[in-house]
Amino acid sequence: NAGVTQTPKFRVLKTGQSMTLLCAQDMNHEYMYWYRQDPGMGLRLIHYSVGEGTTAKGEVPDGYNVSRLKKQNFLLGLESAAPSQTSVYFCASSPGRKDQPQHFGDGTRLSIL
Amino acid sequence: ELKVEQNPLFLSMQEGKNYTIYCNYSTTSDRLYWYRQDPGKSLESLFVLLSNGAVKQEGRLMASLDTKARLSTLHITAAVHDLSATYFCAAQETSGSRLTFGEGTQLTVNP
Repeated sequence: NAGVTQTPKFRVLKTGQSMTLLCAQDMNHEYMYWYRQDPGMGLRLIHYSVGEGTTAKGEVPDGYNVSRLKKQNFLLGLESAAPSQTSVYFCASSPGRKDQPQHFGDGTRLSIL
Repeated sequence: ELKVEQNPLFLSMQEGKNYTIYCNYSTTSDRLYWYRQDPGKSLESLFVLLSNGAVKQEGRLMASLDTKARLSTLHITAAVHDLSATYFCAAQETSGSRLTFGEGTQLTVNP
């Protein structure tokens, strides 16, 4: 049982390049989330989805886009990477029940030069 | 807008000592979560607290929730080095599906 899998684990980009981070979960969870983690700031929600085909903005959505074409996958896109987007990105999923916590992937460490 | 504040942000303690981490949140919430994160690793769920007065314990960690005071605590009893990690609390608004995280408490347990 893999849980939540993030691809890639590390990436270095140049300013202006684009890329897509992939999150896959095998727990049949309805809800999926993308966070970024920066030193001293905890986790901040970028975008989230409450079901296949749905997406919604979180706390820091600017510069990112997402898609949830399949229930098990949640993609995070950076259209034109900026140094301010250097961060660790975590994907999480949950069944949407309040007695069940979110399950997190191992993270993607992204550096923008 | 829900805001979550933890204190202290940094905690250095000796093995065998007790201490408490505090988590305050700003608006009504009936669900509070505690996570642990080791350096360079993912977040691991520790506790889910869903009602006023809820108390949960696992080993040397005990979490509680006071919804009237909008306060959750994570109490560490007789700390050991293996508890060194960053601990996050996160609250969710009653009618929402989003978690708001605190900044995290970096705990170091010294021999």
